[in-house]
Amino acid sequence: DAGVIQSPRHEVTEMGQEVTLRCKPISGHDYLFWYRQTMMRGLELLIYFNNNVPIDDSGMPEDRFSAKMPNASFSTLKIQPSEPRDSAVYFCASSGLAGGGYNANTGELFFGEGSRLTVL
Amino acid sequence: DQQVKQNSPSLSVQEGRISILNCDYTNSMFDYFLWYKKYPAEGPTFLISISSIKDKNEDGRFTVFLNKSAKHLSLHIVPSQPGDSAVYFCAASMDSNYQLIWGAGTKLIIKP
Repeated sequence: DAGVIQSPRHEVTEMGQEVTLRCKPISGHDYLFWYRQTMMRGLELLIYFNNNVPIDDSGMPEDRFSAKMPNASFSTLKIQPSEPRDSAVYFCASSGLAGGGYNANTGELFFGEGSRLTVL
Repeated sequence: DQQVKQNSPSLSVQEGRISILNCDYTNSMFDYFLWYKKYPAEGPTFLISISSIKDKNEDGRFTVFLNKSAKHLSLHIVPSQPGDSAVYFCAASMDSNYQLIWGAGTKLIIKP
């Protein structure tokens, strides 16, 4: 079974440009998470979805960031306009549990390989 | 405010010896703790977890110990192998909250 698939793996862009990161979760998983990893702040949860609906976007740093999940097999994280401080590795993760609820007692997230973003 | 702390950015251990990675937390409401392992250029992968109703969980070479009174958990790897060289993240959650709170990670280096 394919894991969580993210694209692009690497993105180098100039300040002010729009960046779109993509994620395909594991089939059957009903939770999807976007994380950002930086040296300064470690792993930060940006937003997560349950059954394609955004549940908590309190981690999204600014209005320049937006995320969508139009269907169960696809999500995007968009940054417009991008800034050098957005440079980081962005991870998508998915999780799925019986009964449709997130059982924190398993807590197992399946991560993609990440998208490394560099904004010049 | 860091609720989950991994105070050692890195740790170097001889192959075959025991590796002990530490994690401290401040929120007594956390009731589940997890360890993830991350290789360069890959996403974190789940390693082992423990519920707050237990004080030990073992899976092969990996054992996690939980000391609730001290708000401290540790991951023991015995014996350490070169493939264990990675960054290890500690994470915690509350059953009522879907978020995992992550530590900053500890880079483990296993020397041959």
